Order: sequence, then C-alpha cells, then structure tokens
Amino acid sequence: GQQLNQSPQSMFIQEGEDVSMNCTSSSIFNTWLWYKQDPGEGPVLLIALYKAGELTSNGRLTAQFGITRKDSFLNISASIPSDVGIYFCAGQLIRGNTGNQFYFGTGTSLTVIP
Amino acid sequence: KAGVTQTPRYLIKTRGQQVTLSCSPISGHRSVSWYQQTPGQGLQFLFEYFSETQRNKGNFPGRFSGRQFSNSRSEMNVSTLELGDSALYLCASSPRTGLWETQYFGPGTRLLVL
Repeated sequence: GQQLNQSPQSMFIQEGEDVSMNCTSSSIFNTWLWYKQDPGEGPVLLIALYKAGELTSNGRLTAQFGITRKDSFLNISASIPSDVGIYFCAGQLIRGNTGNQFYFGTGTSLTVIP
Repeated sequence: KAGVTQTPRYLIKTRGQQVTLSCSPISGHRSVSWYQQTPGQGLQFLFEYFSETQRNKGNFPGRFSGRQFSNSRSEMNVSTLELGDSALYLCASSPRTGLWETQYFGPGTRLLVL
C-alpha cells in the first residue's frame, strides 16, 4: 500500500500566491521526485532530488530532500492559472530481494483562482 | 520524437473477464513500467520490464502480469477481473532500468469493470 503521506490533499489559492506542499514517509527513500498530472494525461516530472538536504529549483518551483530522507517539500512561487493540476511526490525505495520499488504520494489537487 | 502510446484508451469489461493492455515506449527506451491509479489508492507501481525481463515488482496479486517484447513494447494482462480493478493504468518508459527520474508517462488506459 501507500507509504508516502502527502499534504494538503487540496488547495484553493489566488493567482500570484505562493504554494507549499509536503510529503512524509516512515521509510527512508533514496530518491524523491515531484510530478504534475493534468486531466487525461500521465504525470510529468517537475523536479528530481538525489541527496539528503538537496534544494533544487526549476523556474518558479523549488523542492527539497529532507535531511532525514523521510520527507520532501515542493514550493511554487507566484502561482498562475496553468499551475492547476494534481501534484504528486514519489520516491524510490531500494529493497534487497524484491528489487527497487517506486511509490507515489496521495496527491495534492491545486486550484488557482484568477 | 513520438511519446509513449497506450492502447486502447478506454475499455469496459465485466467481472471475471480478462484484459490485455498495450504500451509502446519512446523509441530507444528499453524499460517499461506499469502503474495503477485509483481515487482510493492513488498511483501504485505494478512492475517494470527491461530487456524482456521483469526487474522490479510492486505488491499486486498474481492476476496482474506483464511481458515485454524484443522491440521493447509491453503488454499488461489482468485475469479474472474484479470491480476494484477499475482504474487508470499508466505505463512509463525510460532508457534504462531503475532510472525513475527519466520516466515518461503515457496518457493511460481507463478500464471500467462492471
């Protein structure tokens, strides 16, 4: 089942506001990824994080890999209407005998009000 | 460069039937992963194929199986369908196995089990 808890579940914000969402886990992950999914499409990668403490930006997006390797956050600055969608965190968990597994968070639905 | 394609896009089946979904990866990509997306459970990893071999596997029952052909195209089969199998099934391709951050997702196949 799910191993990544993502919050908040949904957000309604005014255009121009900043957004923050986070993901936590009881397990240590080796890689954290953030995706955005638009209706009728598959997820698209936004940011990839590889090391504890790493802070990475992609335009108005900034994400961090938590020091404990059990959490990550994503910030969106100065939101615009096209930011609308569902944002997912995801992480890779290395398991010895069953191979690597990849888990997605529960998703944050973002609505931007013009 | 063409993206990941999935067929069919929509499918309706009844309980007890079986279904086969198809995924054509991006040219040159040899890894194909499959995911199930439902409102209740979110996005869950099913399995990954690379060079016609299953490399990683999620926690799904044996009714869910897959295979990969020499041209890297992949199929996923679900036998003895249950109502709870209704979901969006996504596949993603990557150049190599385990490179989750280089995955590109297809638009998905929406399966409805009646």
